[in-house]
Amino acid sequence: AQSVTQLDSHVSVSEGTPVLLRCNYSSSYSPSLFWYVQHPNKGLQLLLKYTSAATLVKGINGFEAEFKKSETSFHLTKPSAHMSDAAEYFCVVSDPFTGGGNKLTFGTGTQLKVEL
Amino acid sequence: EAQVTQNPRYLITVTGKKLTVTCSQNMNHEYMSWYRQDPGLGLRQIYYSMNVEVTDKGDVPEGYKVSRKEKRNFPLILESPSPNQTSLYFCASSSPDGRRSYNEQFFGPGTRLTVL
Repeated sequence: AQSVTQLDSHVSVSEGTPVLLRCNYSSSYSPSLFWYVQHPNKGLQLLLKYTSAATLVKGINGFEAEFKKSETSFHLTKPSAHMSDAAEYFCVVSDPFTGGGNKLTFGTGTQLKVEL
Repeated sequence: EAQVTQNPRYLITVTGKKLTVTCSQNMNHEYMSWYRQDPGLGLRQIYYSMNVEVTDKGDVPEGYKVSRKEKRNFPLILESPSPNQTSLYFCASSSPDGRRSYNEQFFGPGTRLTVL
């Protein structure tokens, strides 16, 4: 079975400072990993995905994540936070053997707060 | 515009009164799925469908039914809703590329259900 663990349920940063949202995964095989964002009262939007190509993945809105197999981590970073980044972020792993690779397992989410 | 639509967006009902939440996508996607989102638990998969007339249970299927008679529609049915089904529900769709690699799932805007 595969799973993801988001190490922080809440993260608070000041505008203009770096963002780090931590995610560790557990998988019996080479995983596909993703970060989704959910703004208040909105649906989910894909930020970025790792599918065994480059280990450093760039996403939308200046976010990026690095896949580190030795540490089983896929942390999300952004050099400078903006007020509009305030949202809930989900780390997600897909199961390549269920649903044609479309079965997603979500982490419990990290609420990012950005303060002036 | 490519999108996943859900109706209704908000629903308050009473225990035992059958209800259906509709989901429709206009992207000709084969794969569709239902999730429920609860605080502190992230999103959990209820049911999914690989194609017309092909459905399977996700992680939390108890108390739910689905059908896939047309490619574009994937309704979620609660035959006898109970208060523990109060939640935020998301429908999603994607198109497997046949190589067991992941394709982006597109999420609907969500349906907030309250069962009294």
